[in-house]
Amino acid sequence: GAVVSQHPSRVICKSGTSVKIECRSLDFQATTMFWYRQFPKQSLMLMATSNEGSKATYEQGVEKDKFLINHASLTLSTLTVTSAHPEDSSFYICSAMNPIHRQGKYGYTFGSGTRLTVV
Amino acid sequence: AQKVTQAQTEISVVEKEDVTLDCVYETRDTTYYLFWYKQPPSGELVFLIRRNSFDEQNEISGRYSWNFQKSTSSFNFTITASQVVDSAVYFCALSEGGGSEKLVFGKGTKLTVNP
Repeated sequence: GAVVSQHPSRVICKSGTSVKIECRSLDFQATTMFWYRQFPKQSLMLMATSNEGSKATYEQGVEKDKFLINHASLTLSTLTVTSAHPEDSSFYICSAMNPIHRQGKYGYTFGSGTRLTVV
Repeated sequence: AQKVTQAQTEISVVEKEDVTLDCVYETRDTTYYLFWYKQPPSGELVFLIRRNSFDEQNEISGRYSWNFQKSTSSFNFTITASQVVDSAVYFCALSEGGGSEKLVFGKGTKLTVNP
């Protein structure tokens, strides 16, 4: 149980275009999802917290207009990288809080990540 | 603000050696959760353990063991009789009990186990 599906796993786009990444909780409802960014050989940096039905909360230094987050349902959050540039190339990972297991063994379920390359 | 420090950037051992990965955390909350994740080269995060701040019992799972000490704000991870398949980046992470519950990661320790 507690599976999060993230698509696409890999995407190459041209500079100036937008890319949408989807994060779906398959067997549970996720009121809260998180988006992380990871540069090569670095840690996961939290970009934003996404709450179903409300605006995302962005971490300091993350451009809201560039990284659009939508959490329209309890099972889907999307991250859109707008007007992508080569410096946006990175590994993006989503995570969902699984409230059923909040007191149990698993608190967070991660997607498999999306490797974005902007050329 | 919560913070996680993994002082060891890279560790290299020979197969069958024991290895300990250090994790020191900072938080002002009395309720918090600590995690360890493994990230193999493929990139996905593999959950290893979650500990809450009220449970200081050490845990053992096969070759893995964890030592949680609130007095030193540490949550160290030991792999006994390491294997080549243990080679990965290991992240320690902290989530505070109330509020946003966001998960903050340490910088990770890259473990290489050589045959």
